[in-house]
Amino acid sequence: KQEVTQIPAALSVPEGENLVLNCSFTDSAIYNLQWFRQDPGKGLTSLLLIQSSQREQTSGRLNASLDKSSGRSTLYIAASQPGDSATYLCAVEYTDKLIFGTGTRLQVFP
Amino acid sequence: DGGITQSPKYLFRKEGQNVTLSCEQNLNHDAMYWYRQDPGQGLRLIYYSQIVNDFQKGDIAEGYSVSREKKESFPLTVTSAQKNPTAFYLCASSLTTNTGELFFGEGSRLTVL
Repeated sequence: KQEVTQIPAALSVPEGENLVLNCSFTDSAIYNLQWFRQDPGKGLTSLLLIQSSQREQTSGRLNASLDKSSGRSTLYIAASQPGDSATYLCAVEYTDKLIFGTGTRLQVFP
Repeated sequence: DGGITQSPKYLFRKEGQNVTLSCEQNLNHDAMYWYRQDPGQGLRLIYYSQIVNDFQKGDIAEGYSVSREKKESFPLTVTSAQKNPTAFYLCASSLTTNTGELFFGEGSRLTVL
């Protein structure tokens, strides 16, 4: 069964810390993997998309890596800020479906 | 600005009533999707459309209906047959299916009284 898991479910850190969010998937035959941010009561905002042939993608303070063989992706956030507080979701695309994780709720406090 | 517009943002419905949620995109995307989000669960796919005048059931289509008469529009009707309709509904689009980046609207929160 294809499953996507995000651990931890919630994370609280002080401002300025570098942090890593994890996304695990059981079927490594992925098409691509996408990271999203969701603020409370809002839609999802695309952060980074990694194609299956890529190892990582970077945007500003964000870096996402992909290791298909181990079924893992990590989202690295450098120098975290209170404005980074949100829920972060990963979504794994296969040829016939897109599966979302349940997200990691991040709080960055001043 | 290009994007996806969902309306209304909040909607209240009495039991037994059908309601329609609007989704419009000006990204010139062929593929459009409707997802449902419940607390503690991942997004679940209701319906998707790869092209105008075509749509397919997702994982939880029962009690919902859609139409795709125009490329820009993909409305979702929540019928009285949907047993537990209170949820946050998200519309999304992509250039085509299986080509990557998915863009979302701001969502519509439906509450059944």
